[in-house]
Amino acid sequence: QQPVQSPQAVILREGEDAVINCSSSKALYSVHWYRQKHGEAPVFLMILLKGGEQKGHEKISASFNEKKQQSSLYLTASQLSYSGTYFCGTGGGGSNYKLTFGKGTLLTVNP
Amino acid sequence: DVKVTQSSRYLVKRTGEKVFLECVQDMDHENMFWYRQDPGLGLRLIYFSYDVKMKEKGDIPEGYSVSREKKERFSLILESASTNQTSMYLCASTPLSAGGHTQYFGPGTRLTVL
Repeated sequence: QQPVQSPQAVILREGEDAVINCSSSKALYSVHWYRQKHGEAPVFLMILLKGGEQKGHEKISASFNEKKQQSSLYLTASQLSYSGTYFCGTGGGGSNYKLTFGKGTLLTVNP
Repeated sequence: DVKVTQSSRYLVKRTGEKVFLECVQDMDHENMFWYRQDPGLGLRLIYFSYDVKMKEKGDIPEGYSVSREKKERFSLILESASTNQTSMYLCASTPLSAGGHTQYFGPGTRLTVL
């Protein structure tokens, strides 16, 4: 079952912050975050593992709440280059290499 | 850098044709995946392979088959293309490693079935 992402879309002005949420009805082993710009392949941002700490990547960070089976992606002081569609992919762990992706969140950053 | 390449960026086929989409990765990854991406539906897994000649169905395998004869190459086959298979197809690969499996994506093939 696909994880649920919210919001579906968000529009920001440069410098504003945003939070994108990803929740699953199944127990999670890992959560992956990807960003896809229009016409390009998804690009890996970060991975959060069960029992792991909050991860960061420049001004983008994420958290993983295992109990609630959800993850949040935090974008602070957004830049024009942050525009794109953000996907979370959830993994079941063990030898299961599959990821199940959410439907995506379209982020638009305007000047 | 990991490189995943797909045989075509754009492809136009007719209903009923047999279609082959090729994916090649150059990092000796064990696992390879085929997704289709449609507006509002995100990425949906069609098939994946965790070793040569090994394959497993994903969430939407109907109408598709796959082939993995060599480790670096994973092919998606549409036996008889239909208009509802018009979509963006993305291939990905990931290494066999403990703790998280980052997927590296190819640039995608936009397939139109007329």
